[in-house]
Amino acid sequence: GESVGLHLPTLSVQEGDNSIINCAYSNSASDYFIWYKQESGKGPQFIIDIRSNMDKRQGQRVTVLLNKTVKHLSLQIAATQPGDSAVYFCAETLSGGSYIPTFGRGTSLIVHP
Amino acid sequence: GAGVSQSPSNKVTEKGKDVELRCDPISGHTALYWYRQRLGQGLEFLIYFQGNSAPDKSGLPSDRFSAERTGESVSTLTIQRTQQEDSAVYLCASSLMVRNTIYFGEGSWLTVV
Repeated sequence: GESVGLHLPTLSVQEGDNSIINCAYSNSASDYFIWYKQESGKGPQFIIDIRSNMDKRQGQRVTVLLNKTVKHLSLQIAATQPGDSAVYFCAETLSGGSYIPTFGRGTSLIVHP
Repeated sequence: GAGVSQSPSNKVTEKGKDVELRCDPISGHTALYWYRQRLGQGLEFLIYFQGNSAPDKSGLPSDRFSAERTGESVSTLTIQRTQQEDSAVYLCASSLMVRNTIYFGEGSWLTVV
C-alpha cells in the first residue's frame, strides 16, 4: 500500500553539527510535502514545505530536498541547536483527491550540547 | 489568538463515558482536520471538513466517533462510550484552502481510566 516512512527513528547529533532527516514515500502521485516539528507536549509546528515541481527549498537554517526519481525527501538543519530537539514528521499529499496529508511515524532528533 | 485553539487541553474520563473535544480553527480557514496521536506514534487521520462539502470520515476508527462542524467555524469531535484504547492526543488543524499549509493546535490530551 501507499506509505510515508522515515529511515531513522532516532538521530543524535552534537550542537553545531548539521542534521539530515530522511523520509521515503511510495506514491509517485504525491505532489505536496510538508515537514513538521513536534516538541514534547505540543502540537506539530510547520517548518517548511515543497511542491513536486521543485527539487529544493530553503528556509531559515532548514533546507528540504525532494528527489522524485527515488521518491525521497530530506530535511537538512544547519548548525543544529539544542532547541531543535524534537520529533520531526514528514507528510505527503496526493493530487486528484481529498487533500489529506498522510504522516509518517516521525524521527526523534536529539541535540547534545 | 491567531492560532488553532483546542479545548479542553487535558481530559481524564472514566471508561464508558462520552467526551466532546472542541476546535476553533484559524479565522477564514475553510479546511479543518482531526488527527489522533497515540503516545510515541505518528498522526492518524480521523476526519476532514472542507467548506460546505460532505466531510471525509474515512479515518474514523468506529461508530463511537463522530464530528461536526458549523459552517467554517468551530468543530466538535465526540467519542461515545470511551474505551482505554481511545487514550491519545487529539489534534485539530486548519488550512486556508485545500493544498495550503496546515496549522495544528496544541491538542487535547485524553486519558480514559
